[in-house]
Amino acid sequence: GQQLNQSPQSMFIQEGEDVSMNCTSSSIFNTWLWYKQDPGEGPVLLIALYKAGELTSNGRLTAQFGITRKDSFLNISASIPSDVGIYFCAGRNNDMRFGAGTRLTVKP
Amino acid sequence: DGGITQSPKYLFRKEGQNVTLSCEQNLNHDAMYWYRQDPGQGLRLIYYSQIVNDFQKGDIAEGYSVSREKKESFPLTVTSAQKNPTAFYLCASTRDIRGSGANVLTFGAGSRLTVL
Repeated sequence: GQQLNQSPQSMFIQEGEDVSMNCTSSSIFNTWLWYKQDPGEGPVLLIALYKAGELTSNGRLTAQFGITRKDSFLNISASIPSDVGIYFCAGRNNDMRFGAGTRLTVKP
Repeated sequence: DGGITQSPKYLFRKEGQNVTLSCEQNLNHDAMYWYRQDPGQGLRLIYYSQIVNDFQKGDIAEGYSVSREKKESFPLTVTSAQKNPTAFYLCASTRDIRGSGANVLTFGAGSRLTVL
């Protein structure tokens, strides 16, 4: 099946720093999504992107749907301790494919 | 509040035993899904169901079985045929299988299965 390459695999940052992570694929997707998973819980949708080139913000989070439809990035500005968790990208056509996740650790 | 309830949260099983994980939703969603999560890997689809009494295999269906007798319920059985069943299992649902509503997967809190 289609594979999503998500990077980095993990990040250790200081509180207040900005964060950037991305997903790439060899296949085109019609929709890109970003989810966050807290430890021991299910993922929660952060941002959904429906059009190539679309740039969408949700508070301190900003995500973009790549113009080639094969990639997407997520930025978090001014990180805080509660940003800790695993962030997953997902691409959707007829089904949904997930990246392996970026594990974010924020040091106070 | 509407949501998805998975139970049990933690489950231990001896090798050779079948075990059933429960998933119940009160969101009136049509489609339900089961994913498996392993460390360092993305979520992998086990089975999904678009409508009552119908379900389809996902990418890793071998060793698993499901039923969809009611719209609200989609239990997953991990059979003894599953060679490496220790994992975190996530149930999800969407309002419909196509259209923009299909993008908003609502997940349960997960069930962690450990085989002893």
